[in-house]
Amino acid sequence: DTAVSQTPKYLVTQMGNDKSIKCEQNLGHDTMYWYKQDSKKFLKIMFSYNNKELIINETVPNRFSPKSPDKAHLNLHINSLELGDSAVYFCASSQESSFGYTFGSGTRLTVV
Amino acid sequence: SQQGEEDPQALSIQEGENATMNCSYKTSINNLQWYRQNSGRGLVHLILIRSNEREKHSGRLRVTLDTSKKSSSLLITASRAADTASYFCASYTGGFKTIFGAGTRLFVKA
Repeated sequence: DTAVSQTPKYLVTQMGNDKSIKCEQNLGHDTMYWYKQDSKKFLKIMFSYNNKELIINETVPNRFSPKSPDKAHLNLHINSLELGDSAVYFCASSQESSFGYTFGSGTRLTVV
Repeated sequence: SQQGEEDPQALSIQEGENATMNCSYKTSINNLQWYRQNSGRGLVHLILIRSNEREKHSGRLRVTLDTSKKSSSLLITASRAADTASYFCASYTGGFKTIFGAGTRLFVKA
């Protein structure tokens, strides 16, 4: 069983489009995250939800909107995609942030 | 600059050799974690060392932490080709945020 699953794995889309990435975890964790990994492999946190409540909202364009319908799901919607949004987006979850994270396998977004 | 910075950025060794990667951080931490990322995959949690610990072992992995120097090292002994991956340190400072560095790319030649 996949612990943290993201879909789709690859996403190629044109500038200006709106797209969503879905994430689900079956670990019973209370907290979920979205991270962005750029071409230099640097990982930057974007959002975090704890029991469906937004707790971290880093300096991210408001074109990015997370949604957590329940504590097992955290989706990421991106409006008006730009070339600079091309990256790998990782979903992760943790029971306690201090214990470490379980990551999904990533979604490679390419904006053309 | 980033909270966690790994050194070297890339490392190439022969199978059987030891690999050492270093990480520096800027602010006080509760714990420091190391992750591995295989190409095209997500990060996998390897080991966690608390701020009151100095050394920790897990199989062929040995992690040290020097809070006075704000640095940590990850040693992989008797490396294997399957160890080829990127390795990231991540500092947990409290709350819900863990900050990752840019990683060390390790290449183990068979």
